Amino acid sequence: EVQVVESGGGLVQPGGSLRLSCAASGLSLSTYWMNWVRQAPGKGLEWVANIKQDGSEKYYVDSVKGRFTISRDSANNLVYLQTNSLRVEDTALYYCVRSRGWIMDVWGHGTTVTVSS
Amino acid sequence: DIVMTQSPDSLAVSLGERATINCKSSQSVLKSSNKNNFLAWFQHKPGQPPKLLISWASTRESGVPDRFSGSGSGTDFTLTISSLQAEDVAVYSCQQYYSNPLTFGGGTKVEIK
Repeated sequence: EVQVVESGGGLVQPGGSLRLSCAASGLSLSTYWMNWVRQAPGKGLEWVANIKQDGSEKYYVDSVKGRFTISRDSANNLVYLQTNSLRVEDTALYYCVRSRGWIMDVWGHGTTVTVSS
Repeated sequence: DIVMTQSPDSLAVSLGERATINCKSSQSVLKSSNKNNFLAWFQHKPGQPPKLLISWASTRESGVPDRFSGSGSGTDFTLTISSLQAEDVAVYSCQQYYSNPLTFGGGTKVEIK
């Protein structure tokens, strides 16, 4: 079965950092665009970032540019989201999502990031 | 950025009746080169990750019941549940993958009347 599993979330103070990880089973992450999508409490889905198969292209939503960095470790079949200078409004459930072509088709169950003092 | 606007925010439908959800994009998501609409629909139930229902505006994913259908082109799209079942209670969101940043609609909550 193809699945992705996120980890690395937690409680952090404003201004802090977390590194979110995405591991996969049943698929090689390096053959797909990979995304991070988040959902804040009571809000809709928000795409955060994505990365091309070879890591040569990365895109971010404006609200996280300069603070978040997406990367991949193809040797270990992992994708990361480094989150720095966290704000209260970054509190959300963060999903790792595979893109089949352009289509986001395989979602993990998410990891929760809570930014609070 | 392409803004996706859904309506209504919520709707209550009787079991067996039709549910219709609308999604409008601020610019066309139809790529003229291949005549495809870069539009997907997701179903999101509490405690579960979103589930891809439909891609390319009208192509159902494998295993998705045929009571779910997508239609529309350009900037206006519709998700229809032809005969609502109890297990269809969820939030439904549209999403464009025409260009980065990828964007979602705000979601429509479907409940049983």
